[in-house]
Amino acid sequence: AQKITQTQPGMFVQEKEAVTLDCTYDTSDQSYGLFWYKQPSSGEMIFLIYQGSYDEQNATEGRYSLNFQKARKSANLVISASQLGDSAMYFCAMRGFTGGGNKLTFGTGTQLKVEL
Amino acid sequence: GAGVSQSPSNKVTEKGKDVELRCDPISGHTALYWYRQRLGQGLEFLIYFQGNSAPDKSGLPSDRFSAERTGESVSTLTIQRTQQEDSAVYLCASSLGGRGGTEAFFGQGTRLTVV
Repeated sequence: AQKITQTQPGMFVQEKEAVTLDCTYDTSDQSYGLFWYKQPSSGEMIFLIYQGSYDEQNATEGRYSLNFQKARKSANLVISASQLGDSAMYFCAMRGFTGGGNKLTFGTGTQLKVEL
Repeated sequence: GAGVSQSPSNKVTEKGKDVELRCDPISGHTALYWYRQRLGQGLEFLIYFQGNSAPDKSGLPSDRFSAERTGESVSTLTIQRTQQEDSAVYLCASSLGGRGGTEAFFGQGTRLTVV
């Protein structure tokens, strides 16, 4: 079974500051992938960043980086230099890679608001 | 097509009627997922397909919900005897599937309103 936990229902950050969105997970799979998605008020789901469980380096994509701590089972998203357009709901997700399993499980999300 | 396409984009139905929601995944994507998202909530997993098979149907809320996929392509989510609590946005996603970190691409969703 897989479980994703996002403990921050809402976060505020000032423009140009960095913000960390928390994500912890639980899985019995030895090999898995972790994803972050952004959902603006328009409702579309936008893929941001991916981290594989055996990747040695933390993933980075532009202003997004993933702080992956395997022993703690955490995969926090760091957004640097926040912009007003970053205001959205952010979801952490994981997929286990065992056998035929390919289920993609999401957390409950964190609503981020970027303020001037 | 270039992306995941869902139809209809909006559906208003009367309580007790059946509805069919359609998802056209990205060509070549073997994995297909259905999620339900109630207003202001997270994504609730319903079912996923690998090819035409559904290894995990554990998220289907009741036997009123069913889904099928044919030709490793189009999928249909059917809700029978709709209830007001079925009102939500139904999101479909597809990915290359198999092992690996390929992300899932989402459609724009079908907003279902049961009156």
